[in-house]
Amino acid sequence: GDSVTQMEGPVTLSEEAFLTINCTYTATGYPSLFWYVQYPGEGLQLLLKATKADDKGSNKGFEATYRKETTSFHLEKGSVQVSDSAVYFCALGNNRKLIWGLGTSLAVNP
Amino acid sequence: GAVVSQHPSRVICKSGTSVKIECRSLDFQATTMFWYRQFPKQSLMLMATSNEGSKATYEQGVEKDKFLINHASLTLSTLTVTSAHPEDSSFYICSARDSRGTPNNEQFFGPGTRLTVL
Repeated sequence: GDSVTQMEGPVTLSEEAFLTINCTYTATGYPSLFWYVQYPGEGLQLLLKATKADDKGSNKGFEATYRKETTSFHLEKGSVQVSDSAVYFCALGNNRKLIWGLGTSLAVNP
Repeated sequence: GAVVSQHPSRVICKSGTSVKIECRSLDFQATTMFWYRQFPKQSLMLMATSNEGSKATYEQGVEKDKFLINHASLTLSTLTVTSAHPEDSSFYICSARDSRGTPNNEQFFGPGTRLTVL
């Protein structure tokens, strides 16, 4: 069945460091791919999305490219801020459901 | 746009009581809503898919008599945890899909409800 594998955390970085959170997937058909973010004490928010191969989703300085050849959707940010501290979830949308990764906790220190 | 609310945000109840959680789509109609459960430091677990005007579809291993779902209107779905026990303590999250269609299966999430059963 469809699945999402996300790099385990926690990830701890200093402010202005480069961030990569790996996400790979297995799926039938042509899924959409998402990154959601959950800030401390808050609900899930859609961070970015991509609906087809080679699409790049971007928002708030974060980017992820839908790579069909490597079945990946890695999240990147060039310079993280303390306010980016949160849990990040990679998700796959297929057959009208969302399949979730386990989440990666990110802590950014000043 | 695309706001989903949940009520209550937090609830504490005694073991054996029932708790109802509401999920509302505030500015759109949702034929389909989803109920998730999130354990500490873990991913979201889909419990059931709620369809307006019909019975919910439960995921394998989720007791339908324990977690009653009612989706009586296009903007409201409720989850009732019946005869709650401490092991039901969790963070419950709902999401909704716009009835007008979301070609990329996008769901809009509520802020979640923290249930603590004493």
